[in-house]
Amino acid sequence: GESVGLHLPTLSVQEGDNSIINCAYSNSASDYFIWYKQESGKGPQFIIDIRSNMDKRQGQRVTVLLNKTVKHLSLQIAATQPGDSAVYFCAENMDQGGKLIFGQGTELSVKP
Amino acid sequence: GAVVSQHPSRVICKSGTSVKIECRSLDFQATTMFWYRQFPKQSLMLMATSNEGSKATYEQGVEKDKFLINHASLTLSTLTVTSAHPEDSSFYICSARISGTGTSPLHFGNGTRLTVT
Repeated sequence: GESVGLHLPTLSVQEGDNSIINCAYSNSASDYFIWYKQESGKGPQFIIDIRSNMDKRQGQRVTVLLNKTVKHLSLQIAATQPGDSAVYFCAENMDQGGKLIFGQGTELSVKP
Repeated sequence: GAVVSQHPSRVICKSGTSVKIECRSLDFQATTMFWYRQFPKQSLMLMATSNEGSKATYEQGVEKDKFLINHASLTLSTLTVTSAHPEDSSFYICSARISGTGTSPLHFGNGTRLTVT
């Protein structure tokens, strides 16, 4: 079924520290996963993606890890900056139609 | 590249009226667009898949007669909220994928904040 959030979990980190945001996905058949960043009042922005035939992918300051055994995704942000403060969502590609289903989301707050 | 534009960004309407929201892909063609709704402090919930030249596919629990979707061209999809009620107040966000790119990210518009009074 669809993922419906209740209240967003919050992660608070100090500027310069590394952040780890976790996500559990629902469908073991999902083959593609994306992390999005959403700032207040805006649409989600693409951060990084990973296909199910991989378990790790790195971008600039970000790394996504995929554990298919336990249906778990994580997003690691290195040297977190105040501009990283936002809500982060994982999304899974559920079927051939390409629709993305979003996870609950985590609000990241970076303290200067 | 891959810019999705939504209009309007904010709209206030009275109960019982209808509101149309436009979603355009500015620099690419999109055979398929997706409409999401988001309540405060919650995740995005998929409402429907908009298919160019054919009927939209609605998610379970979404009333197709209330949320009318038209995808008349490869760059434009519209969502009309008919006979709006205060409980329809929400943040509506559209997204699109570049046609022919297979499994690839969805690109999102900046959303439309609908307030029904």
